[in-house]
Amino acid sequence: GQQVMQIPQYQHVQEGEDFTTYCNSSTTLSNIQWYKQRPGGHPVFLIQLVKSGEVKKQKRLTFQFGEAKKNSSLHITATQTTDVGTYFCAEQHGSGNTGKLIFGQGTTLQVKP
Amino acid sequence: DAGVIQSPRHEVTEMGQEVTLRCKPISGHNSLFWYRQTMMRGLELLIYFNNNVPIDDSGMPEDRFSAKMPNASFSTLKIQPSEPRDSAVYFCASSLRGAGYGYTFGSGTRLTVV
Repeated sequence: GQQVMQIPQYQHVQEGEDFTTYCNSSTTLSNIQWYKQRPGGHPVFLIQLVKSGEVKKQKRLTFQFGEAKKNSSLHITATQTTDVGTYFCAEQHGSGNTGKLIFGQGTTLQVKP
Repeated sequence: DAGVIQSPRHEVTEMGQEVTLRCKPISGHNSLFWYRQTMMRGLELLIYFNNNVPIDDSGMPEDRFSAKMPNASFSTLKIQPSEPRDSAVYFCASSLRGAGYGYTFGSGTRLTVV
């Protein structure tokens, strides 16, 4: 089935460096959600982007939705060891918040102290 | 709120045995999802329910898998008979109709079929 593509698959950074993960789709997305999964944990909802060109910030995390609503990015400024985990973007099929959510393959972030 | 509650947390079973995974969604949430996570295939949606009604089960691997939601506070995912390739972490998630809330996942059940 259709799925958003996420890159890179893995990223190793030194603590304090920035990190970005990208999510791309061949079709226009109604909205996109981002989740974080710590090692051994479960996905935790971070944010939802709905509007074209939308930018949202959560402390050191910046989320963007492309103008054409076909791509999205998550940028972390000055990474910390607590940022370790896998970051997933997910596209929603169907209307409202009750359509099915299809996840990308995720980007696993390792942070070296 | 205790969040989405899944049981058991871990399950080890022999090939051919029946396995039942359980989920209690967040009270008031009207959608429930079953996902399977493996290294090879990532997070796969198996089936989801809206208002206790199965909407899309196209992700269910085969007839050995079945899911039910008899009421708004309980769902089961059953595998019969189980096979080693079913080994994975199974997550249940629930959500509330409306934008911006996202899905709340349970802690998952780690299934090992030997």
